[in-house]
Amino acid sequence: ETGVTQSPTHLIKTRGQQVTLRCSSQSGHNTVSWYQQALGQGPQFIFQYYREEENGRGNFPPRFSGLQFPNYSSELNVNALELDDSALYLCASSSKQGNTEAFFGQGTRLTVV
Amino acid sequence: AQSVTQLDSHVSVSEGTPVLLRCNYSSSYSPSLFWYVQHPNKGLQLLLKYTSAATLVKGINGFEAEFKKSETSFHLTKPSAHMSDAAEYFCVVSLEFGNEKLTFGTGTRLTIIP
Repeated sequence: ETGVTQSPTHLIKTRGQQVTLRCSSQSGHNTVSWYQQALGQGPQFIFQYYREEENGRGNFPPRFSGLQFPNYSSELNVNALELDDSALYLCASSSKQGNTEAFFGQGTRLTVV
Repeated sequence: AQSVTQLDSHVSVSEGTPVLLRCNYSSSYSPSLFWYVQHPNKGLQLLLKYTSAATLVKGINGFEAEFKKSETSFHLTKPSAHMSDAAEYFCVVSLEFGNEKLTFGTGTRLTIIP
């Protein structure tokens, strides 16, 4: 177990709806990164939050947005869901101090119908 | 831009025989390289990482990888496969030590034949 927890584990949404995914980072970690893993593919970097500010973004449209809270937990929000948003969403926590490895949660499986 | 190419999408080996999973990288700068493993319905676990120290890196569960700059490769090996090694393996590159903003390969599925 990594200490990184994600909720919910599974989710089914309808095209056009909005969804919020949650991640609790490991104790002592101040950085959270989100990844999208489509079926049969490697994870793709969505964005990263450090001390409540976005700190880098991958090639994802603005309808993918996030938040990081003072306790370093994080949310990923996706608006106007599309069928192609169906994927496993992974959260990784790390610390910019000490160059620790990134620890991944088990992910949220999102299905858009 | 940084990227990794995993040369095999699927590798099958018999239990007790060597494992070789191949990865080539492309990076404008001195990269940090990693191998992660993903078991079914589980999160990603770090196997090992290269960060410009020793070129031969030893990881968990008997895995190791060798960084070869001249070949831009970072292949993962294990002398003797175990049934529990069956999983998806990802080669990963990062420009920033600290394991952030990772760029993943497409993965290699390792099957172990009893």
